[in-house]
Amino acid sequence: GENVEQHPSTLSVQEGDSAVIKCTYSDSASNYFPWYKQELGKGPQLIIDIRSNVGEKKDQRIAVTLNKTAKHFSLHITETQPEDSVVYFCAAGSNTGKLIFGQGTTLQVKP
Amino acid sequence: EAGVAQSPRYKIIEKRQSVAFWCNPISGHATLYWYQQILGQGPKLLIQFQNNGVVDDSQLPKDRFSAERLKGVDSTLKIQPAKLEDSAVYLCASSLQGTSGTDTQYFGPGTRLTVL
Repeated sequence: GENVEQHPSTLSVQEGDSAVIKCTYSDSASNYFPWYKQELGKGPQLIIDIRSNVGEKKDQRIAVTLNKTAKHFSLHITETQPEDSVVYFCAAGSNTGKLIFGQGTTLQVKP
Repeated sequence: EAGVAQSPRYKIIEKRQSVAFWCNPISGHATLYWYQQILGQGPKLLIQFQNNGVVDDSQLPKDRFSAERLKGVDSTLKIQPAKLEDSAVYLCASSLQGTSGTDTQYFGPGTRLTVL
């Protein structure tokens, strides 16, 4: 069935270093790949997304890459800051609008 | 622009009791989603509405869960009777159209349910 695997489940980096979170998906019909962050006690908030006709997208310190052949997509955060310490979720969506979420990555940025 | 509103924010009930959650989506959004998020996991879609019609309820445990969106705006999700494993955060999300597949989904703050 439809599945999204996300790794790692926890990630600890020093402030200023880069962080990379990777996801793989199983449904070949997936064509939309959003990334959400979730703060404690809040709902997920979109930080960046990429569509299947694009290989890479950047927004300031955040970038996403997509390899449709390998069914891989990744989130890259550069120059990490302590306030980046939240939970990140990847997801894969298709034309139905349904999103399949990964299991989440807890990022800890040490000052 | 107001976001997705949900109430209550917290609910504690005993097993076999019933509970209902309410969601008001962003104004003008045709598609509404209910997700279940168990602690330490990603959200899992329970049901998707397009206006007041159901698009996908394949993962809704229909023996105990029900949902409606009668006027195509706000929605309620009900659990009757609740089980211990229903303890989770119930998230509501909305998107402008949804059926194009690439609309951004905006999430509410969620309702944290504890079943004792």
